[in-house]
Amino acid sequence: GEDVEQSLFLSVREGDSSVINCTYTDSSSTYLYWYKQEPGAGLQLLTYIFSNMDMKQDQRLTVLLNKKDKHLSLRIADTQTGDSAIYFCAEKGTGANNLFFGTGTRLTVIP
Amino acid sequence: EAQVTQNPRYLITVTGKKLTVTCSQNMNHEYMSWYRQDPGLGLRQIYYSMNVEVTDKGDVPEGYKVSRKEKRNFPLILESPSPNQTSLYFCASSLTLDGIEQYFGPGTRLTVT
Repeated sequence: GEDVEQSLFLSVREGDSSVINCTYTDSSSTYLYWYKQEPGAGLQLLTYIFSNMDMKQDQRLTVLLNKKDKHLSLRIADTQTGDSAIYFCAEKGTGANNLFFGTGTRLTVIP
Repeated sequence: EAQVTQNPRYLITVTGKKLTVTCSQNMNHEYMSWYRQDPGLGLRQIYYSMNVEVTDKGDVPEGYKVSRKEKRNFPLILESPSPNQTSLYFCASSLTLDGIEQYFGPGTRLTVT
């Protein structure tokens, strides 16, 4: 299947910005997603971007897509302790199969 | 309230003892999936279903079976569980294939000894 890669850990101080990066290999991706998983919970869709977009902003979240480099990032402004979670990047190709997930990045926000 | 429910939430079992993890959604979604989550590997799709009686293999289907006799239910069956199936399992459902409105269940933590 497709490869979706993320770094495993990120620590930031409360109030700083967090940037979580993701690379993928499928050039036919139609949608790319960011999911958040809090401890003991399932995955919650945070935001998504269509592959013909470069950027999407939603309140404190900014998604940047560099399709040429197959690089996706999620920026969280003014990071709060409640943002501590695992963040998964996922991509959807053109086939009937579902999403391909990255390994997840564990974000730790230090008070 | 729109939700995906899974049961049981936690299960410890022994090698070879058949088990079923149930999944149910109340949103009339056509598309349902099972994933397993393992440290350092993210989520990998086991099976998916595009509608009643329509199922297909995902990336890691070996050792698993599914059925979709009703739209709302998509059980995951382990006929002869083995220790390498110890994992955290998630069921998900969505209205469409694009996954934008994909809802995940709370997860089932399975340990096979």
